[in-house]
Amino acid sequence: AQTVTQSQPEMSVQEAETVTLSCTYDTSENNYYLFWYKQPPSRQMILVIRQEAYKQQNATENRFSVNFQKAAKSFSLKISDSQLGDTAMYFCARGSQGNLIFGKGTKLSVKP
Amino acid sequence: DGGITQSPKYLFRKEGQNVTLSCEQNLNHDAMYWYRQDPGQGLRLIYYSQIVNDFQKGDIAEGYSVSREKKESFPLTVTSAQKNPTAFYLCASSMGSSGGGNEQFFGPGTRLTVL
Repeated sequence: AQTVTQSQPEMSVQEAETVTLSCTYDTSENNYYLFWYKQPPSRQMILVIRQEAYKQQNATENRFSVNFQKAAKSFSLKISDSQLGDTAMYFCARGSQGNLIFGKGTKLSVKP
Repeated sequence: DGGITQSPKYLFRKEGQNVTLSCEQNLNHDAMYWYRQDPGQGLRLIYYSQIVNDFQKGDIAEGYSVSREKKESFPLTVTSAQKNPTAFYLCASSMGSSGGGNEQFFGPGTRLTVL
């Protein structure tokens, strides 16, 4: 089965510091899309960032950026200047045919 | 405001009863999805539909059924055949295929508890 693996079930970071969440995936496709979603305590899922596999440039969205290593099938999320509002579950996902395959998530706690 | 609504927010069911979870979107999206979320399991796909009157099984479709009679609506029925239905259920929609990079937009979820 094609899978998405998030090896860090829980992480914590001090406010204003930088944290990196890891994600690896399986695929036999050459072009595909990768996503990071955030689920805060309200449980509302929100897209954080998206990366197209054939684009070598890493995607960035304000304080959020990715380190995409296609050969290693790695897609980590870096959060800079962490804020209390970043406390959430973070899910990595890969586009597959008509839908998404999600990892099991990393619970991030930002401490004041 | 455009978005996805799910109702009810909390739902209680007795064992042996079928129950239907509502999902409506006014984003004019073609594709809709149902996920189940359990602690430590991430999101698992139950069913998805890319067009009206057509839908496909996901990874954990057993004990569930869906219909897609209208573009805006994708109700999920949890049947008595589902052995462990207590979970958080999320509905999502997208303009096109997520395999093609389209973002999925999520509803607020329904928490189903079997008594």
